[in-house]
Amino acid sequence: AQSVTQLDSQVPVFEEAPVELRCNYSSSVSVYLFWYVQYPNQGLQLLLKYLSGSTLVKGINGFEAEFNKSQTSFHLRKPSVHISDTAEYFCAVSPAGGTGFQKLVFGTGTRLLVSP
Amino acid sequence: DTGVSQNPRHKITKRGQNVTFRCDPISEHNRLYWYRQTLGQGPEFLTYFQNEAQLEKSRLLSDRFSAERPKGSFSTLEIQRTEQGDSAMYLCASLDIQDYGYTFGSGTRLTVV
Repeated sequence: AQSVTQLDSQVPVFEEAPVELRCNYSSSVSVYLFWYVQYPNQGLQLLLKYLSGSTLVKGINGFEAEFNKSQTSFHLRKPSVHISDTAEYFCAVSPAGGTGFQKLVFGTGTRLLVSP
Repeated sequence: DTGVSQNPRHKITKRGQNVTFRCDPISEHNRLYWYRQTLGQGPEFLTYFQNEAQLEKSRLLSDRFSAERPKGSFSTLEIQRTEQGDSAMYLCASLDIQDYGYTFGSGTRLTVV
């Protein structure tokens, strides 16, 4: 089974400052990793995913994340945030490979609050 | 391709009533998932379909919940005898197994009063 820990429930940051949202996972098998963003009363939008290859993954809206297998982490970063980045961010994991049913397991989320 | 569509967007119902939600996935995706998200939490897996076959159900899916995907196209999630604890956002997602692109719908927010 897999699990995801997002230690920071809320991260306040000023506009144009850098930000890092932390994600740690646990799994006995190889995994795929995902970051999603959720705006109020909306569904989830994929920011980026790691399947294989380069451990530095670039996504939409200037976000990137780095997969660190030894530390079982997949932290999300952005060098300069905008007010419009204010939202809930979810890290998720699924077993790697296509034979299983590939359910996503989510963390509890981190609310990013960007102020002027 | 218009993405994953969920209807209705909002549903308010009285305790004890039955409700049904619909999900229309991306047409080429044969895998479909239902998740439930309560306030302040991440989405939790409910059930999974591959084509029309329901292959996995979470323990969260009590006997009052039933899901179908006739002909492997749209899916419905029905909750019978709703309880206040059923109040949540119900999310549907379909999966492109070629690139593991999960696409989520906008969800159905259920409020049981």
